[in-house]
Amino acid sequence: AQKVTQAQTEISVVEKEDVTLDCVYETRDTTYYLFWYKQPPSGELVFLIRRNSFDEQNEISGRYSWNFQKSTSSFNFTITASQVVDSAVYFCALSEHFYNQGGKLIFGQGTELSVKP
Amino acid sequence: GAVVSQHPSRVICKSGTSVKIECRSLDFQATTMFWYRQFPKKSLMLMATSNEGSKATYEQGVEKDKFLINHASLTLSTLTVTSAHPEDSSFYICSAYLKREVGIQETQYFGPGTRLLVL
Repeated sequence: AQKVTQAQTEISVVEKEDVTLDCVYETRDTTYYLFWYKQPPSGELVFLIRRNSFDEQNEISGRYSWNFQKSTSSFNFTITASQVVDSAVYFCALSEHFYNQGGKLIFGQGTELSVKP
Repeated sequence: GAVVSQHPSRVICKSGTSVKIECRSLDFQATTMFWYRQFPKKSLMLMATSNEGSKATYEQGVEKDKFLINHASLTLSTLTVTSAHPEDSSFYICSAYLKREVGIQETQYFGPGTRLLVL
């Protein structure tokens, strides 16, 4: 069965610190997508990244970077030089339906990040 | 980018009444929409998959007679919470699935969510 685990329920850091959010997934499929979403207090989900299972290259987007390692079934998310505006709940998600139409997402439990000034 | 709207954004109702939540894809046709439910401080749980022109597929443990889903057109899906009770109070989020014509760029766009409070 597919499953996403975010072991860190809450993380608190001081502004400008680097922080890594862990994500471990389980799936029997060889083709799948992995996602990260940000959910600020307003509740709306903000899409951050999608990675397919064939692409293990790490990705960097500004202060955000992602480390995908199939060998350990992990897809970790690092925020460099964190800012107060980064405070939110972050969800990792898995979709097994790669080429099929309509891939439902399985979400992790979420990590609540608090960045203090 | 693609936009998905939800209406209403929040609703308060009395126990026993029914509440309808609309999910619209504003600038694209979505043959598939998903409905999620989120309790405070909890993850999103998929409730059902809504396919245009056919019956919704419900996840295990979700009462289909309680949560009626209608996907009447390629841009609209509705979730009706029938005979709502306080335990139905939650944050309901829909998403619309955009499948592009070429290759693998499949993207799911989320609505802003609807907060339901049943008194």
